[in-house]
Amino acid sequence: AQSVTQLDSQVPVFEEAPVELRCNYSSSVSVYLFWYVQYPNQGLQLLLKYLSGSTLVKGINGFEAEFNKSQTSFHLRKPSVHISDTAEYFCAVSRGGADGLTFGKGTHLIIQP
Amino acid sequence: ETGVTQSPTHLIKTRGQQVTLRCSSQSGHNTVSWYQQALGQGPQFIFQYYREEENGRGNFPPRFSGLQFPNYSSELNVNALELDDSALYLCASSGINYGYTFGSGTRLTVV
Repeated sequence: AQSVTQLDSQVPVFEEAPVELRCNYSSSVSVYLFWYVQYPNQGLQLLLKYLSGSTLVKGINGFEAEFNKSQTSFHLRKPSVHISDTAEYFCAVSRGGADGLTFGKGTHLIIQP
Repeated sequence: ETGVTQSPTHLIKTRGQQVTLRCSSQSGHNTVSWYQQALGQGPQFIFQYYREEENGRGNFPPRFSGLQFPNYSSELNVNALELDDSALYLCASSGINYGYTFGSGTRLTVV
């Protein structure tokens, strides 16, 4: 079975500063990796995904993530955050097929003016 | 391209009752999966349906069951509701490129 660890439950950042949200995973087989964002009282919106190929993945809203197989990490970054980025961010993995997604516990990104 | 629609958005049930939640998948997606998200937690995988058959299941008891219809829409049924079943239930549809698209969820409160 696979698991996901999001190392920070909350990350406070000043507006226009860069941010990194950390995600580590554990799996005995190759996995696909995802980052989702959840705004209050809403469902999940896909930011980006890594299936194969280039380890640097660019997503929506200026976010990007880098897959590091040796460190089993998939950290999410944004060079300059905006107040509208305040939300809960979830990292997820899947082996594909019928496995569904395994999520981390989430990181609450708090943007301070 | 229509997204994933879930109904109802909120409901309140009494312990021991049964509930049915509904989900319509995104156009072109033939796989539907359901997730339970307790307050302050990440979503947990309940099960997945592909071509009207359950083909994957997480660590949930048999009182959580489902259906998928020929138009790829889906239902989640929960029998003998318990207080701990109170959560946001999310439906996701996906196609061949693992682009899981989520609905806005159904907030279930069991009292």
